[in-house]
Amino acid sequence: KAGVTQTPRYLIKTRGQQVTLSCSPISGHRSVSWYQQTPGQGLQFLFEYFSETQRNKGNFPGRFSGRQFSNSRSEMNVSTLELGDSALYLCASSTGQQVAGYTFGSGTRLTVV
Amino acid sequence: QQQVKQSPQSLIVQKGGISIINCAYENTAFDYFPWYQQFPGKGPALLIAIRPDVSEKKEGRFTISFNKSAKQFSLHIMDSQPGDSATYFCAASRSGYSTLTFGKGTMLLVSP
Repeated sequence: KAGVTQTPRYLIKTRGQQVTLSCSPISGHRSVSWYQQTPGQGLQFLFEYFSETQRNKGNFPGRFSGRQFSNSRSEMNVSTLELGDSALYLCASSTGQQVAGYTFGSGTRLTVV
Repeated sequence: QQQVKQSPQSLIVQKGGISIINCAYENTAFDYFPWYQQFPGKGPALLIAIRPDVSEKKEGRFTISFNKSAKQFSLHIMDSQPGDSATYFCAASRSGYSTLTFGKGTMLLVSP
């Protein structure tokens, strides 16, 4: 059974640009959650999508947005990039009923210069 | 406000020793407490989890101890091996919410 696939694995962007990251969940999983991981703040919840609807949202500015498609694939977008957005962005998929079935992808390493 | 506090930040243990990582939480509504293991270049992977109706859960060399009154839980790794060297995260969640609140992680190094 294929795992959670995140693309691309690495990205380098310039301040002020925008970026789109992609996450393909495990087949049959309808929930996709996004987390930002940094050395200082650890893992912080960004948002969760279930059946194409945002179900939960963390405390991040509006520059961070996401969406989910009918096949459950999800994208997150960060506009007007700042140096502090440099992080590992992880997505996790589950059936959506509980977090016990969370499976994380390997992440996208974003570097903003 | 950090809802899950994890300690220590880093830990060095000799091969065969016991590794102990502690977490404390604030929100009494939390009712699911997993531990994740993360290797460099990989996402976190679920190691073991516990719910507050039990005080201990063991899976192989990994044991979670849970103290509901103190709002604390800990991970014990018995007979630690070099392959256990990784970053460990505790987390917490509550029923009806499909999100996790993580501790800041513990970098474990098991020396040969």
